[in-house]
Amino acid sequence: DTGVSQNPRHKITKRGQNVTFRCDPISEHNRLYWYRQTLGQGPEFLTYFQNEAQLEKSRLLSDRFSAERPKGSFSTLEIQRTEQGDSAMYLCASSWDRVTDTQYFGPGTRLTVL
Amino acid sequence: AQSVAQPEDQVNVAEGNPLTVKCTYSVSGNPYLFWYVQYPNRGLQFLLKYITGDNLVKGSYGFEAEFNKSQTSFHLKKPSALVSDSALYFCAVRDPGSGGYNKLIFGAGTRLAVHP
Repeated sequence: DTGVSQNPRHKITKRGQNVTFRCDPISEHNRLYWYRQTLGQGPEFLTYFQNEAQLEKSRLLSDRFSAERPKGSFSTLEIQRTEQGDSAMYLCASSWDRVTDTQYFGPGTRLTVL
Repeated sequence: AQSVAQPEDQVNVAEGNPLTVKCTYSVSGNPYLFWYVQYPNRGLQFLLKYITGDNLVKGSYGFEAEFNKSQTSFHLKKPSALVSDSALYFCAVRDPGSGGYNKLIFGAGTRLAVHP
């Protein structure tokens, strides 16, 4: 069990560019979550996958954001036409398929939009 | 609305002294409560959770938390603080509206500083 991994760890981009982040959950975890954390705040829920199905998207996830989880394994989060307000830490978490199960977080991807 | 409050931005404690990091919540129904810790440039590490049962929950690294339903609180405690406990601590509650999964609502975090 190697834990949740995320790549890249840091991304600096110019406003208007597209970026894509990857999350590899703990193997056999079929639940996967994305959260966003801005400076001085706690993480905020973005979206949730049950296997390959995206079952909820937060209102924080504008049309410029898209997430996928092909084959129910790794997940990607893409931001198109980045804005300075997108600068944040993007966190991925995974868990087993029970309501009471603990979410285990990856190290996050820190995005800086110039 | 469902929410979590961590009333202290920062808690300072001397090494060896007991520490308490406060958390109060507002959710409908029975809460599922969690504590996570975040070290610089790292993700969140799970410390402990309360789902049901004994109000005193023991977790990792000597931490424990007490669930108090009447005060809607879930304070994190440790009998003897270490300098290495210095980090950012987050309390979280499951959003009861998240159906069969576990969308978490986080507090803003409390920075714990343990001084030698």
